[in-house]
Amino acid sequence: AQSVAQPEDQVNVAEGNPLTVKCTYSVSGNPYLFWYVQYPNRGLQFLLKYITGDNLVKGSYGFEAEFNKSQTSFHLKKPSALVSDSALYFCAVRDDPNYGQNFVFGPGTRLSVLP
Amino acid sequence: EPEVTQTPSHQVTQMGQEVILRCVPISNHLYFYWYRQILGQKVEFLVSFYNNEISEKSEIFDDQFSVERPDGSNFTLKIRSTKLEDSAMYFCASSPGSPMVIQYFGAGTRLSVL
Repeated sequence: AQSVAQPEDQVNVAEGNPLTVKCTYSVSGNPYLFWYVQYPNRGLQFLLKYITGDNLVKGSYGFEAEFNKSQTSFHLKKPSALVSDSALYFCAVRDDPNYGQNFVFGPGTRLSVLP
Repeated sequence: EPEVTQTPSHQVTQMGQEVILRCVPISNHLYFYWYRQILGQKVEFLVSFYNNEISEKSEIFDDQFSVERPDGSNFTLKIRSTKLEDSAMYFCASSPGSPMVIQYFGAGTRLSVL
């Protein structure tokens, strides 16, 4: 069965500093990995995905994520954090090649970027 | 940019009452989903829907829940007899007809069962 862990409930970073939000996963087959962001009172917004190809994936708003198969990780990164990046971040995974299957979400990590 | 729309944004109901949450997926998308998020907890899958039938459902999606696509645009989630523990944010999502693509989420309906 698929599972996702986000080991940090909360990440605090100063504006302008690099940020990392961690995600590890467990799947039986090849992983399909996603990051979503949730701003207050809003739905989930897609940031980026890894399906195949380069391990470094670039997404929206300057975010990127690095897929590491040996460590079963897909950490979200940004070189320079903005106060507006403060939100709840969810990592999600699926391993079934049949489309229409659901995502399994991690518990979320709250990112606070301090001015 | 096309988006998934959900109505109402907030629904308050009495325990035991039926509620219908409505969603308009992105036009031309073929796969539809409902998820829920209990306050402070993670997003949980409820059900996926394709070709006018349920393709997968979770343990949460018991006989009290049903989904329907009554016309070409709406996708609804019905809870027949609401319980206090059904209070949550319910998200609708849709995706187009290719495998492994992004699911686009609506802003959610907050259901409060009193």
